[in-house]
Amino acid sequence: AQSVAQPEDQVNVAEGNPLTVKCTYSVSGNPYLFWYVQYPNRGLQFLLKYITGDNLVKGSYGFEAEFNKSQTSFHLKKPSALVSDSALYFCAVRVFVSGNTPLVFGKGTRLSVIA
Amino acid sequence: ETGVTQTPRHLVMGMTNKKSLKCEQHLGHNAMYWYKQSAKKPLELMFVYNFKEQTENNSVPSRFSPECPNSSHLFLHLHTLQPEDSALYLCASSQDKKNIQYFGAGTRLSVL
Repeated sequence: AQSVAQPEDQVNVAEGNPLTVKCTYSVSGNPYLFWYVQYPNRGLQFLLKYITGDNLVKGSYGFEAEFNKSQTSFHLKKPSALVSDSALYFCAVRVFVSGNTPLVFGKGTRLSVIA
Repeated sequence: ETGVTQTPRHLVMGMTNKKSLKCEQHLGHNAMYWYKQSAKKPLELMFVYNFKEQTENNSVPSRFSPECPNSSHLFLHLHTLQPEDSALYLCASSQDKKNIQYFGAGTRLSVL
């Protein structure tokens, strides 16, 4: 079975500092990995994905994530945080097969960027 | 705007009411999804439709009844709900089930 763990409910970071939001996954095959962001009173918004290829994936708003197969991790990073990055972040995984497996989401990590 | 529109944005209903949530996507996608988002819990996939055919039903109680009349519209019919059904209900669509899902803003449901 697929699963995703986001070990931190809350991450606080000062504006201008680098940020990391952690995600680890468990699948029985090759993973598709995704990050989504949810701003208040909005639905989830796609940030980036890893399918295959380079382990470092760049996405929207200056975010990037690194796929680490040995550690089964896909942590989200940004070199310099903005107050506007404050939101709820979700990691998601699905297995790379015929397309019949659904996305499995983590429980989310709330990021607060303090000015 | 993500191209996925959900109405209403907010809904308050009693346990004996019947109501429906509506989702419409303008992206030409062929897969649509209903999710339930409760506080401090992972997003729960409820239903998946692919080309109007229901392909997944994740053990959702029968008081939730989905309907997908065409690839652009998805409904969630609600009846005799319980207070624990209060949550944010999110609709999403994708081009095939492999691809990126685009979400609506959700319907905040309160069951009294």
